[in-house]
Amino acid sequence: GQQVMQIPQYQHVQEGEDFTTYCNSSTTLSNIQWYKQRPGGHPVFLIQLVKSGEVKKQKRLTFQFGEAKKNSSLHITATQTTDVGTYFCARKNYGGSQGNLIFGKGTKLSVKP
Amino acid sequence: DAGVTQSPTHLIKTRGQQVTLRCSPKSGHDTVSWYQQALGQGPQFIFQYYEEEERQRGNFPDRFSGHQFPNYSSELNVNALLLGDSALYLCASSWLAGASYEQYFGPGTRLTVT
Repeated sequence: GQQVMQIPQYQHVQEGEDFTTYCNSSTTLSNIQWYKQRPGGHPVFLIQLVKSGEVKKQKRLTFQFGEAKKNSSLHITATQTTDVGTYFCARKNYGGSQGNLIFGKGTKLSVKP
Repeated sequence: DAGVTQSPTHLIKTRGQQVTLRCSPKSGHDTVSWYQQALGQGPQFIFQYYEEEERQRGNFPDRFSGHQFPNYSSELNVNALLLGDSALYLCASSWLAGASYEQYFGPGTRLTVT
C-alpha cells in the first residue's frame, strides 16, 4: 500500500552518540519529507528529498534518499538533548496535492545527558 | 509574522456531542490541511481546503466536515463524537498557488471525548 514504515520505533542514546532512523516504502516515492515533533509539540518540517540518491545536510543532520526512491534515512551525528523528539517521514498521497501526506509512525528519540 | 494558530488548545466533550475546531493559516498561505494524531501515532490526513472548497479527503467518515473562509481560515467540525475521536487535531497550512511543499503545522487542539 501507500504506507511508509519507520524503524526503529524507539531509540535511546547517550548524548554524543549517533542516531539513525529509516523510512521504507514498498512502492516508489515521488518525494519524501521529514518532520520533527518535540514532546508536547507539533510537527516541524525539516526537509524534502526528491532526487534518487539525494543527500542533504543540515548541520549535524544528514538526510538520504535511496537510489530506487523506496527508502530514506535521517542520521544525526553526536546527538544533543535538544534532539529529543519523534522523527516522522511522510510521503505524498497518490493523486494528492502537497499537504495530503501519509506519515510513518515515527521514531521516538530519547537522549540521556 | 504569526505562524499557524489553532483554537481551542484543549477541549473535553461527551460522546454524541458535536465539536468545532478553528485554524488560522500562516500569513500568505492559501491552503489548510487537517490531520488527526492519535497518541503514539503519526498524523493522519483528514482533508484539505483550498479556495473555500474541500479539495482532498482522507479515509474519514462524513461525521468529519469542514469549511474554509475567504480569509483562508478554516474550521473542522466533528458530529456524533465517539470515544475514538479523542486525539490531537492538527492543521497545517501551505501556499498551494506558489507550489510550495513545506507544511507549517499549528500547535494543535487536544480533544478528549468521555
